[in-house]
Amino acid sequence: GENVEQHPSTLSVQEGDSAVIKCTYSDSASNYFPWYKQELGKGPQLIIDIRSNVGEKKDQRIAVTLNKTAKHFSLHITETQPEDSAVYFCAASLSGNYQLIWGAGTKLIIKP
Amino acid sequence: NAGVTQTPKFQVLKTGQSMTLQCAQDMNHNSMYWYRQDPGMGLRLIYYSASEGTTDKGEVPNGYNVSRLNKREFSLRLESAAPSQTSVYFCASNPSGDTGELFFGEGSRLTVL
Repeated sequence: GENVEQHPSTLSVQEGDSAVIKCTYSDSASNYFPWYKQELGKGPQLIIDIRSNVGEKKDQRIAVTLNKTAKHFSLHITETQPEDSAVYFCAASLSGNYQLIWGAGTKLIIKP
Repeated sequence: NAGVTQTPKFQVLKTGQSMTLQCAQDMNHNSMYWYRQDPGMGLRLIYYSASEGTTDKGEVPNGYNVSRLNKREFSLRLESAAPSQTSVYFCASNPSGDTGELFFGEGSRLTVL
């Protein structure tokens, strides 16, 4: 079955710098790749997603890139701000939300 | 608009006890899910309900049962709790099981002694 690996487990960046989180997946048939942000004591919240027919998607300071050949996708956050501090999860799916397999999460720390 | 509401938020059980986690959504969503979250392991799907009247096993269903009571409510039952079921449990919903945003509750922290 699908397996998703996420790196790094912890990332500390200076406020204003960029942050990049990477995920690899094992099943080349996976076609849906969401990213979720989880703040302390809250449930995860979708921040951006991408489908396999698209190589890159951007939403203000957040972008996701997908390399289907290498089977990896990345989250890019530019101009980081204190409110970006959270745990970020990637996920991959063959067929919709019923089969989402999640990465282990990355704790992003923004240093003032 | 409350979104997805889970009760209780915290619970401590002894091994062998039973309990039910309740979940309700007010967004008229068809699909509902139960996940568990453990440190270093991300989220794992326990059971889901694609629509009212249907339930299916997810990745880690052993030791759990679910009931889709109506379109709004989806409960998770532990019949005989074990220490391995110590976890944070999240309920989620979305309009359909296809791709798209999952809306999560705030979680229920369960400790089994």
